[in-house]
Amino acid sequence: GNSVTQMEGPVTLSEEAFLTINCTYTATGYPSLFWYVQYPGEGLQLLLKATKADDKGSNKGFEATYRKETTSFHLEKGSVQVSDSAVYFCALSDAGSGNTGKLIFGQGTTLQVKP
Amino acid sequence: DSGVTQTPKHLITATGQRVTLRCSPRSGDLSVYWYQQSLDQGLQFLIQYYNGEERAKGNILERFSAQQFPDLHSELNLSSLELGDSALYFCASSVGTSAYNEQFFGPGTRLTVL
Repeated sequence: GNSVTQMEGPVTLSEEAFLTINCTYTATGYPSLFWYVQYPGEGLQLLLKATKADDKGSNKGFEATYRKETTSFHLEKGSVQVSDSAVYFCALSDAGSGNTGKLIFGQGTTLQVKP
Repeated sequence: DSGVTQTPKHLITATGQRVTLRCSPRSGDLSVYWYQQSLDQGLQFLIQYYNGEERAKGNILERFSAQQFPDLHSELNLSSLELGDSALYFCASSVGTSAYNEQFFGPGTRLTVL
């Protein structure tokens, strides 16, 4: 079945450090890939997405590239800020059989950025 | 603000009880998804409705049920509650059912079963 695996957290960085959060997936069809962010006490917000191989999603300085050969969608940011502290979820939605749009999430990675 | 509303924000109840969680999707969205977020299971898809009809089912217990009404709001009913049902329940909406559609999440309902 489809699944998403994220690196374990928490990840603690100093402000302006480089961020990478690893995400790999298993899918039987042709998934769309997403990164969602959850700030404390809030719901999830879409951060970026990619719908086909080699697509790069980007938003607010974050980016991720859909790598079919390594089944990965790693999240990166060149210089993190304290306001980026949140939980980040990698997710997939299978565009194959059923095509319901339901999301399958990784376990989430907590990012703490210290001033 | 995502445009998706959920009520109530918090719910505290006892084992064996029944509760109803309500979700209003963004204007124009026909699809509603329910997800459960717990410490041990993470974020899991429960069930999806599209324009009033059940479209997909995930790891939803038989004690749980949902429906979507003609005005497109949705309700998740949880019965015979157990301690392990304590979790954050999110509703999300999207315009359709495609894997390419963005889902917009509500703020969630935190359920505590004592």
